[in-house]
Amino acid sequence: DAGITQSPRYKITETGRQVTLMCHQTWSHSYMFWYRQDLGHGLRLIYYSAAADITDKGEVPDGYVVSRSKTENFPLTLESATRSQTSVYFCASSGGDQPQHFGDGTRLSIL
Amino acid sequence: GEDVEQSLFLSVREGDSSVINCTYTDSSSTYLYWYKQEPGAGLQLLTYIFSNMDMKQDQRLTVLLNKKDKHLSLRIADTQTGDSAIYFCAEKSGAGSYQLTFGKGTKLSVIP
Repeated sequence: DAGITQSPRYKITETGRQVTLMCHQTWSHSYMFWYRQDLGHGLRLIYYSAAADITDKGEVPDGYVVSRSKTENFPLTLESATRSQTSVYFCASSGGDQPQHFGDGTRLSIL
Repeated sequence: GEDVEQSLFLSVREGDSSVINCTYTDSSSTYLYWYKQEPGAGLQLLTYIFSNMDMKQDQRLTVLLNKKDKHLSLRIADTQTGDSAIYFCAEKSGAGSYQLTFGKGTKLSVIP
């Protein structure tokens, strides 16, 4: 089915571990985005990508790494997870001037 | 930086109209969006309006934009219990960016 999918939907890990959240879209959208959602903060942009091999920082990039080797995939990696990175993570994509469409999110808990 | 403000809570009775308000600071906004988030789900695009429009209607939804006051509203007619959710206002800057700035969301509770 066409759309945007995130995996895993739920993840529990420990501080210091590396964890990668996956995002895949089938629309061939050029733009992809990673947000985190926290109570009291709404949605905050972590990183975004305008095209394959082009990425840029958002509002809260520290502690995160992204890559975009293929247009359809935009993985987000926490290289050494901290408790403050416990959050709900959303991936979104858009075709340039079109609205952003969101995945269902990954709920990440870091113990 | 640019800011988007929304009230945090709204409670209405089933069958009444709901009006969710949003203010923004970016005078170069090109598009303004309303997203809906149900519990445990992602953000679903409800509707959006281009900044040179002042109103857009889509079935039970009416969006009003006052560009002079930088005020956006979403009216839901005949509100149903299924409309209970968090509603996010977002704006896209016209400064060549494809990023959105989101408000913190308004939690709409519909009382049966």
